[in-house]
Amino acid sequence: QKEVEQDPGPLSVPEGAIVSLNCTYSNSAFQYFMWYRQYSRKGPELLMYTYSSGNKEDGRFTAQVDKSSKYISLFIRDSQPSDSATYLCAMSRNSGNTPLVFGKGTRLSVIA
Amino acid sequence: NAGVTQTPKFQVLKTGQSMTLQCAQDMNHNSMYWYRQDPGMGLRLIYYSASEGTTDKGEVPNGYNVSRLNKREFSLRLESAAPSQTSVYFCASRWVRGTEAFFGQGTRLTVV
Repeated sequence: QKEVEQDPGPLSVPEGAIVSLNCTYSNSAFQYFMWYRQYSRKGPELLMYTYSSGNKEDGRFTAQVDKSSKYISLFIRDSQPSDSATYLCAMSRNSGNTPLVFGKGTRLSVIA
Repeated sequence: NAGVTQTPKFQVLKTGQSMTLQCAQDMNHNSMYWYRQDPGMGLRLIYYSASEGTTDKGEVPNGYNVSRLNKREFSLRLESAAPSQTSVYFCASRWVRGTEAFFGQGTRLTVV
């Protein structure tokens, strides 16, 4: 079992829909949780960052972390065609200088 | 502010040839990373350098070597390229654990 599991999709939704993207993980030592967005032929860019459990909202984006279930989510409200990209979850432990561990990424298409 | 700069952006190699991928960051980050990204596989860690003077293997190190030349630069070398190394290579850096990683724009490598 990989440390981080993410459904690669692809996921196709109509413009204006609410999108839910999810990752599960197996290592309870993960404390830092991130969502990266990657447009085609570009490098990943940080979208959301959460420490430990809880919710964080930024405009149309909400990140949720449920450490008891080892489950993280990203919600996109009022989705736009410009949201079409690959979304990667990433997480990191709270000790040592260990690298980020990434999910496989979910490819999202928002259709106008 | 350039962030993370990778060179070259594109490269075609013949099987058995060698090459070095260059990465430089101007954010005074301590840690640097090399990932490869293949369709359906997400980002997989090749090597990383937690701090200047140290390097460690990641998930897929075979066929690669790295050099942390100084705090700014972290190079990835393919000694004898194989078609299985056809991929998009990303360099990333971050300050310390728990902070976000910043990515370069990637190097698209094809080995024929």
